[in-house]
Amino acid sequence: DTGVSQDPRHKITKRGQNVTFRCDPISEHNRLYWYRQTLGQGPEFLTYFQNEAQLEKSRLLSDRFSAERPKGSFSTLEIQRTEQGDSAMYLCASSLAWGAETQYFGPGTRLLVL
Amino acid sequence: AQRVTQPEKLLSVFKGAPVELKCNYSYSGSPELFWYVQYSRQRLQLLLRHISRESIKGFTADLNKGETSFHLKKPFAQEEDSAMYYCALSYSNAGNMLTFGGGTRLMVKP
Repeated sequence: DTGVSQDPRHKITKRGQNVTFRCDPISEHNRLYWYRQTLGQGPEFLTYFQNEAQLEKSRLLSDRFSAERPKGSFSTLEIQRTEQGDSAMYLCASSLAWGAETQYFGPGTRLLVL
Repeated sequence: AQRVTQPEKLLSVFKGAPVELKCNYSYSGSPELFWYVQYSRQRLQLLLRHISRESIKGFTADLNKGETSFHLKKPFAQEEDSAMYYCALSYSNAGNMLTFGGGTRLMVKP
């Protein structure tokens, strides 16, 4: 296992289109997190899963954002009707679920909305 | 609400000089504090965490609850320390989600 992977690494889309990003966590990790990072800022928490359960989603930026982790393994983050303000780096991280376990980050998906 | 502040966007030092990257936080409970680092073209990775009380790559950080600070220090900077450094906190009753500061870019000049 080479760590957390994300696909695609880059995505360019037109305003109004839907996009979906995938994250594959480290295999034994049951927690999976999504963050967004805009230029010059630190990552901002969006949502997280423990196994297949989405335990926190109030930080998703709008109802255009949704995430799934159907079988407790990989996760997808979808943005509907993209806007230029959605342009950012979307980061995924995974960890074990005991205490403040280290979160391991993926390389991110860079989204550009034209 | 919890908040992490890194007052310096950029810190430039010469090789061999001491380094201190500042981090202040606001949270009423007992958070876990972390420093993450991102080297050029690499992913974000954990540098150290306060509960480990260890030194990684010569860096140390002490949690000062009175001043609500978690400054990162290294006595002698090396060129390979040049990177983005992010301070972050988490707390267990929120799924250990991380709240990050805005980051400090450390440049170590030869």
